Amino acid sequence: GAVVSQHPSRVICKSGTSVKIECRSLDFQATTMFWYRQFPKQSLMLMATSNEGSKATYEQGVEKDKFLINHASLTLSTLTVTSAHPEDSSFYICSAPSAGRYNEQFFGPGTRLTVL
Amino acid sequence: DAKTTQPPSMDCAEGRAANLPCNHSTISGNEYVYWYRQIHSQGPQYIIHGLKNNETNEMASLIITEDRKSSTLILPHATLRDTAVYYCIVRSIYNTNAGKSTFGDGTTLTVKP
Repeated sequence: GAVVSQHPSRVICKSGTSVKIECRSLDFQATTMFWYRQFPKQSLMLMATSNEGSKATYEQGVEKDKFLINHASLTLSTLTVTSAHPEDSSFYICSAPSAGRYNEQFFGPGTRLTVL
Repeated sequence: DAKTTQPPSMDCAEGRAANLPCNHSTISGNEYVYWYRQIHSQGPQYIIHGLKNNETNEMASLIITEDRKSSTLILPHATLRDTAVYYCIVRSIYNTNAGKSTFGDGTTLTVKP
């Protein structure tokens, strides 16, 4: 199946700093990508939809100025957590739908963010 | 997208079949059933999907009831590496945010030796 990568896989930062997470579709193009957040022992929560060439769409309750999303190309979306705080520590996962008929969604391996 | 209901946890003996149920009583006609699994600290992995016919691939089988209100994922010979959280998702392939998935709590499957 299609492959989605994320970088970095793990990041530790100090409170107040900004962290950028990259999501790449390696063998297919994705005009749309999705960003999820997962807290320990909880399910994935959709944060936003990243759209190539236009603004991202954020889910209710997600601060767009805090979680900046840029869909720079058909294979790359970035999520920047600005002024990170300990409560932003979480597992961030991106996904991209394939161009296939059934819109299977392929997920990245996730990025573990720890804010000290 | 329709809501799904899954048991929170299940155990299965290694080598035996694991049958994971999912209720999706409000599913609509253009919605498919997708199954994913998430091994600890990894991204979800696609397993299988179906509309109304039973489906089988190299990983699993999917049995969908005739009224489409429930389905069962079958892992025919579970191994220890199948220990994971299994998510059943119902999603239209025609919605404007194609690929957008709403995850429930899933079923934690523990395969025991």
